[in-house]
Amino acid sequence: AQKVTQAQTEISVVEKEDVTLDCVYETRDTTYYLFWYKQPPSGELVFLIRRNSFDEQNEISGRYSWNFQKSTSSFNFTITASQVVDSAVYFCALSGATGANSKLTFGKGITLSVRP
Amino acid sequence: GAVVSQHPSRVICKSGTSVKIECRSLDFQATTMFWYRQFPKQSLMLMATSNEGSKATYEQGVEKDKFLINHASLTLSTLTVTSAHPEDSSFYICSAWGLEYTEAFFGQGTRLTVV
Repeated sequence: AQKVTQAQTEISVVEKEDVTLDCVYETRDTTYYLFWYKQPPSGELVFLIRRNSFDEQNEISGRYSWNFQKSTSSFNFTITASQVVDSAVYFCALSGATGANSKLTFGKGITLSVRP
Repeated sequence: GAVVSQHPSRVICKSGTSVKIECRSLDFQATTMFWYRQFPKQSLMLMATSNEGSKATYEQGVEKDKFLINHASLTLSTLTVTSAHPEDSSFYICSAWGLEYTEAFFGQGTRLTVV
């Protein structure tokens, strides 16, 4: 069975601080995908990143960066110089390869509050 | 990415009535669609997986007679909450997967309130 653990439940930072959101996963699949989604108060899921199990390169997109470590089954997300607009719930998720396996297993989510 | 449209975005209904939620893939053919439910301040939980033209596969603990899923075409899946009760109040969100993609795409979600 697949499992995603987001041990942090709520994080509060002051604007311009850096913040890292942790994600640890479990799967028996050799091919899988990892995701991060942002859910603002309006409720929709905003896709941030997808990473496949064969690509361990870290990724940077503007103020966002992701660190994928297969050795520790972790896929952590860092926001640099946080802004108030980053306040939201962030979900890490895991899926299998394709088709029906594209269903996502979500972590419990981390509520990030960025104070001015 | 592909576009998935979910309708309605919000619905309030009386206890005992049924509510239908639509999920459409606008620019691709969705061979598989997924329905998730999210209670307030909780994570998203998969309810069921549906493939076009066949019966949906429900996750353990989800009542198939209460949550009717129909995936009659490659662009439309519907979730009908039958005889809704206040405990069914939740955020329902669909996602759709097509053969040309490696990931599923989410609709905007439907906030259901049963009074």
